[in-house]
Amino acid sequence: AQSVTQPDIHITVSEGASLELRCNYSYGATPYLFWYVQSPGQGLQLLLKYFSGDTLVQGIKGFEAEFKRSQSSFNLRKPSVHWSDAAEYFCAVGGNNNDMRFGAGTRLTVKP
Amino acid sequence: GAVVSQHPSRVICKSGTSVKIECRSLDFQATTMFWYRQFPKQSLMLMATSNEGSKATYEQGVEKDKFLINHASLTLSTLTVTSAHPEDSSFYICSARSRAGGVTGELFFGEGSRLTVL
Repeated sequence: AQSVTQPDIHITVSEGASLELRCNYSYGATPYLFWYVQSPGQGLQLLLKYFSGDTLVQGIKGFEAEFKRSQSSFNLRKPSVHWSDAAEYFCAVGGNNNDMRFGAGTRLTVKP
Repeated sequence: GAVVSQHPSRVICKSGTSVKIECRSLDFQATTMFWYRQFPKQSLMLMATSNEGSKATYEQGVEKDKFLINHASLTLSTLTVTSAHPEDSSFYICSARSRAGGVTGELFFGEGSRLTVL
């Protein structure tokens, strides 16, 4: 069964600093991988997704993620964090079985 | 992007009553909708997969008689929490996949419904 691990529950970075959120997955075949962002009391917004092809995926809001099959990872990165990026970030894995599993989430705090 | 609307966004009810939450895809047809439950500061837990015109598929540990799911049309799925109890208080989120997108199509999420059972 597929599963997702986000090792960091909470990360604090200074505004303007770079960011990397970790995500490791377990899946028997080629996974479909996603990163979502959730603001308090809101639904989820898709940042980016990987299905196949180029392993470096560009998303919205300046985010990118790199799929590394050898490490079973799909880490999210942003070169320079803005205060508005403070939110909860979820990594998710899905496959051809029409459902999706989410990681526990990483809460991002941005210091001024 | 496509819009998924949930209603109500917040609901407070008395213990023992039933509550219905609607999930609508406003500008696309969704053959599949998913219902999630999210506890405070935790991830989304998939409760069930709802396919239009057929019975929902529930995840292990989710009581199908407690959480009734109906997907009567390509744009509407409902979740009814029957005989609600305080432990059912949670944030419920639905998502929908466009019929045109196939199994790899993007999931669009509703804004969630916060249920508080007194």
